Amino acid sequence: LAKTTQPISMDSYEGQEVNITCSHNNIATNDYITWYQQFPSQGPRFIIQGYKTKVTNEVASLFIPADRKSSTLSLPRVSLSDTAVYYCLVGERGSGAGSYQLTFGKGTKLSVIP
Amino acid sequence: EAGVAQSPRYKIIEKRQSVAFWCNPISGHATLYWYQQILGQGPKLLIQFQNNGVVDDSQLPKDRFSAERLKGVDSTLKIQPAKLEDSAVYLCASSSGLPEEQYFGPGTRLTVT
Repeated sequence: LAKTTQPISMDSYEGQEVNITCSHNNIATNDYITWYQQFPSQGPRFIIQGYKTKVTNEVASLFIPADRKSSTLSLPRVSLSDTAVYYCLVGERGSGAGSYQLTFGKGTKLSVIP
Repeated sequence: EAGVAQSPRYKIIEKRQSVAFWCNPISGHATLYWYQQILGQGPKLLIQFQNNGVVDDSQLPKDRFSAERLKGVDSTLKIQPAKLEDSAVYLCASSSGLPEEQYFGPGTRLTVT
């Protein structure tokens, strides 16, 4: 089972800032929080990763409070091309030695409206 | 830098037939993953390789699915015999360092009729 909970869908107008919040109440001390983006008919694409506080790259920002039980992906000034499914993931050790799994939930389907 | 390559992109087979998918990861990436993504759901990990060894195949239905990664580069995933519920997109991904940062291929869409 996925260790995260996020909204199933969100709508936003072009040019607005979009914030997608994910809860991960049982995150382990060593776990990082990772976000992926998936367009239709494509494989997921890594967006951003963080452990605590704030991380920013050319695509998005990731805000993580001190308790790390949630995180917020922020997409500045979205465009139609940002319409996609966004997955919040927390890694977990698998059954094999050296195994580290990313368990994908259903993600958040973001629809950007002109 | 070339991305993860997969073939074929689409495959239609009848139930009980066999099928194979091929994946060529990004050059130098030691870790390779196969995922199954059913319509409307997130990808589900089937098997993870580190070089040419299996690290985790706990979610691989071993009675019908098999995978190999000879020489630690390319990989093939096989289904024999296929069932209707195997209809899905099969994604291959690779990573070099951080396991959280995986690079996915475009996937193979399998339809079992």
